[in-house]
Amino acid sequence: AQSVTQLGSHVSVSEGALVLLRCNYSSSVPPYLFWYVQYPNQGLQLLLKYTTGATLVKGINGFEAEFKKSETSFHLTKPSAHMSDAAEYFCAVNSGGSNYKLTFGKGTLLTVNP
Amino acid sequence: NAGVTQTPKFRVLKTGQSMTLLCAQDMNHEYMYWYRQDPGMGLRLIHYSVGEGTTAKGEVPDGYNVSRLKKQNFLLGLESAAPSQTSVYFCASSYKPTGPNEQFFGPGTRLTVL
Repeated sequence: AQSVTQLGSHVSVSEGALVLLRCNYSSSVPPYLFWYVQYPNQGLQLLLKYTTGATLVKGINGFEAEFKKSETSFHLTKPSAHMSDAAEYFCAVNSGGSNYKLTFGKGTLLTVNP
Repeated sequence: NAGVTQTPKFRVLKTGQSMTLLCAQDMNHEYMYWYRQDPGMGLRLIHYSVGEGTTAKGEVPDGYNVSRLKKQNFLLGLESAAPSQTSVYFCASSYKPTGPNEQFFGPGTRLTVL
């Protein structure tokens, strides 16, 4: 079975501050991991994904995430928050093989204060 | 390419009414999915399809039916709407469900059942 836990349903940062959104996963096999972003009243858009190889993954809009197998984590970071980063962020896991299922965390709402 | 489109964008129903949500994709993807999104619950899979003419149940299938008569379309039906089905519905598609092939999402349909 696979599952995702996002720590913190709401994170608030100041513009220019570090963004850190936490994601821990559970998977019985090596996982594929994703971060999606959802802007208000829109669908989900892929930010980045981890497949195999390099554990530090760079995505769009300056975001990156690091896969840490020993900690079963895939935290999302951005060095300097912009107002335009305000959105809801979802971590998701797929355990590969023939597993159709993409399991999502419950989401973290990021607020950026001026 | 339009990607994944959904019709309608908004709908208000009365309890007991029926409706069909249409999802279309122009990426020649084999797999299609219907999710519902509720506050604090993340995305939950309703039904999915692994190809034309096939459908299968997800996590929360009760009260919904689906059909995939054409590869590019995936329909979600509510035969007798209930207030508990008030939600935002997202359709997604993927080339194949294995490995890092991410799902692509539509813009969503906001449904209110009175």
